[in-house]
Amino acid sequence: EADIYQTPRYLVIGTGKKITLECSQTMGHDKMYWYQQDPGMELHLIHYSYGVNSTEKGDLSSESTVSRIRTEHFPLTLESARPSHTSQYLCASSELGADSYEQYFGPGTRLTVT
Amino acid sequence: EDKVVQSPLSLVVHEGDTVTLNCSYEVTNFRSLLWYKQEKKAPTFLFMLTSSGIEKKSGRLSSILDKKELFSILNITATQTGDSAVYLCAVDDQTGANNLFFGTGTRLTVIP
Repeated sequence: EADIYQTPRYLVIGTGKKITLECSQTMGHDKMYWYQQDPGMELHLIHYSYGVNSTEKGDLSSESTVSRIRTEHFPLTLESARPSHTSQYLCASSELGADSYEQYFGPGTRLTVT
Repeated sequence: EDKVVQSPLSLVVHEGDTVTLNCSYEVTNFRSLLWYKQEKKAPTFLFMLTSSGIEKKSGRLSSILDKKELFSILNITATQTGDSAVYLCAVDDQTGANNLFFGTGTRLTVIP
């Protein structure tokens, strides 16, 4: 059973607010990811990290930023939320080794910006 | 540009039917193909396929990869209402960061 957690699960917030979506995993995985998924659409990778102090931008451009100060924690921040940021955000983690491609997903945060 | 295409986009079947979900891909340096099941929240892992022609099986679900024709199928036999979900196909392109490229998914609805 994968142990990866996201909070909050649901968030409704006004335009211009700063928000941080939390993601934590207890599996000791080095690699972590943030995906954005609109209804009926594919998951798009927006950020990933190889480990502590490593952050990379994904395939989909995003106005969000991430940090990785601790192995288990990979928060995503939006400095000024806009309605276009309304989406589901999924966090995932995986081992870093060459044979470990399976990603474990958190339950997701459904963000609505009004 | 790497691409993963799933078909059909949605499917409605009766309990007991057998379904076949398709995933075709174009990636620069293929490493593996993964299937996930996504219900209301997070995708859960089903299979990882790296070699052609070797069927992976788990209960009523099975999957096989064809690296020559660049596709995979996911079969579900004797479907149950609990199989209703979005089934996601993802491909690991080993160029760069070992990240996954996801298809849009197939939404399967199993009615009693």
